[in-house]
Amino acid sequence: QQQVKQSPQSLIVQKGGISIINCAYENTAFDYFPWYQQFPGKGPALLIAIRPDVSEKKEGRFTISFNKSAKQFSLHIMDSQPGDSATYFCAASMKKSNYGQNFVFGPGTRLSVLP
Amino acid sequence: SQTIHQWPATLVQPVGSPLSLECTVEGTSNPNLYWYRQAAGRGLQLLFYSVGIGQISSEVPQNLSASRPQDRQFILSSKKLLLSDSGFYLCAWSVFGGTNEKLFFGSGTQLSVL
Repeated sequence: QQQVKQSPQSLIVQKGGISIINCAYENTAFDYFPWYQQFPGKGPALLIAIRPDVSEKKEGRFTISFNKSAKQFSLHIMDSQPGDSATYFCAASMKKSNYGQNFVFGPGTRLSVLP
Repeated sequence: SQTIHQWPATLVQPVGSPLSLECTVEGTSNPNLYWYRQAAGRGLQLLFYSVGIGQISSEVPQNLSASRPQDRQFILSSKKLLLSDSGFYLCAWSVFGGTNEKLFFGSGTQLSVL
C-alpha cells in the first residue's frame, strides 16, 4: 500500500514534443504529490507538486494532472527541451503521527529530449 | 534562506573500512532529517530519518547507522563497509510539524566500495 508505481522507465522525446510520465498509488492517506527532477550526479530538486483537492496544476511548461478516483497522477512537459533531459521521480506523502512527512518515491523515469 | 551541505561529493573506500558522511542544514530549526540511498539507475531508498537530536529511526536493516549529535547535523556511518554499500547517498530535510511538506535534498555523495 505504500508503493508508488511509475511509468515509463525511460522516455525519448523529440525537441518541442510533449513528455508524459504517469504514476499511481494505493494508499488514500497520501495527501501531497510532488515531482522531483534529478540531473546526473546531483540531488533531486522539487519541480512541482499538487494536493488531491485539485485536478490540475500548471507551472510554466510543467503540468500535473491528478485523478483522485483512479489514484493516478501524471507529469506533462510541454515543448520539451534538451535541458529537460533528466530523471524524474514522482512521490506521495502523508503526515505521520509523530513527525512531519512520510515520503514514498516512484522508481523514476529517465527522460531524454533529442535536439 | 535554507541550505543543505553534504560532503564529501565522492568517496572511494576499500571493503571493510569505516565510513562517515556528514550533512548540515542552515537557515532552519528543528528540521526532519533523512538519509536516502540511490543505486545506479534506481529509485530512492529511505535509510534513516530523525525528528530531533538523538532520535533516529531506521527504515531498513543494514550495515549502516545514523546519528544526530546536533539539531542541524546528521551523520551516516559504518564500521565496516560492504561492496553492497556502494551507491549515491543523499541527505534531505523537511520542515518539522508544519504544513510545508517540501523535501529538500543535498547534492549527494557517490560512494564506491572496492
